[in-house]
Amino acid sequence: GAVVSQHPSRVICKSGTSVKIECRSLDFQATTMFWYRQFPKKSLMLMATSNEGSKATYEQGVEKDKFLINHASLTLSTLTVTSAHPEDSSFYICSATVRGRANSPLHFGNGTRLTVT
Amino acid sequence: AQTVTQSQPEMSVQEAETVTLSCTYDTSESDYYLFWYKQPPSRQMILVIRQEAYKQQNATENRFSVNFQKAAKSFSLKISDSQLGDAAMYFCAFWGTSGSRLTFGEGTQLTVNP
Repeated sequence: GAVVSQHPSRVICKSGTSVKIECRSLDFQATTMFWYRQFPKKSLMLMATSNEGSKATYEQGVEKDKFLINHASLTLSTLTVTSAHPEDSSFYICSATVRGRANSPLHFGNGTRLTVT
Repeated sequence: AQTVTQSQPEMSVQEAETVTLSCTYDTSESDYYLFWYKQPPSRQMILVIRQEAYKQQNATENRFSVNFQKAAKSFSLKISDSQLGDAAMYFCAFWGTSGSRLTFGEGTQLTVNP
């Protein structure tokens, strides 16, 4: 149980276009979803935290207008990279906590490798 | 703010041997959770083991066990009978009940030699 599906797994886009990444909790309702960015051989860097029906909370240094997060339901959060540039190329991972289980560990999606050409 | 430190960027172990990965953390909270995650080349994050701070007993999961020293704020991971499939990046992580976020260490790349 507690499966998080992230789509797409890989995406290549041209500079200036926007890309949407979806994160779905398949068999549970997610209280909170987290979006991370990871550079090669580096740790996961928290970008933002989103709760269903409210605005996302962004970490310091993360541009909220560049990385739009929508948490429309208890099972879906989306990250849109707007006007993507090559420096946005990275690995993006979402995770979720199980609603009603405050002590549950985070469940991670399999990540999205974004390449901006 | 919490910090998590993994002082070993890389470690290697012979197959069937035992290896210990180090992790220290800093927090002012008394109630929290500690985790070890494994990230193989597929980049999938896999939970290896978890420890509740209020529990004195060290957590174990088959070949994986931790040495949790709360006073020293240390949380090391011991892998026994290492297998080739254990080769991965290992991240130590802290979850504070007041902060509601998972803070990761920088990771330790583990190589298992046949």
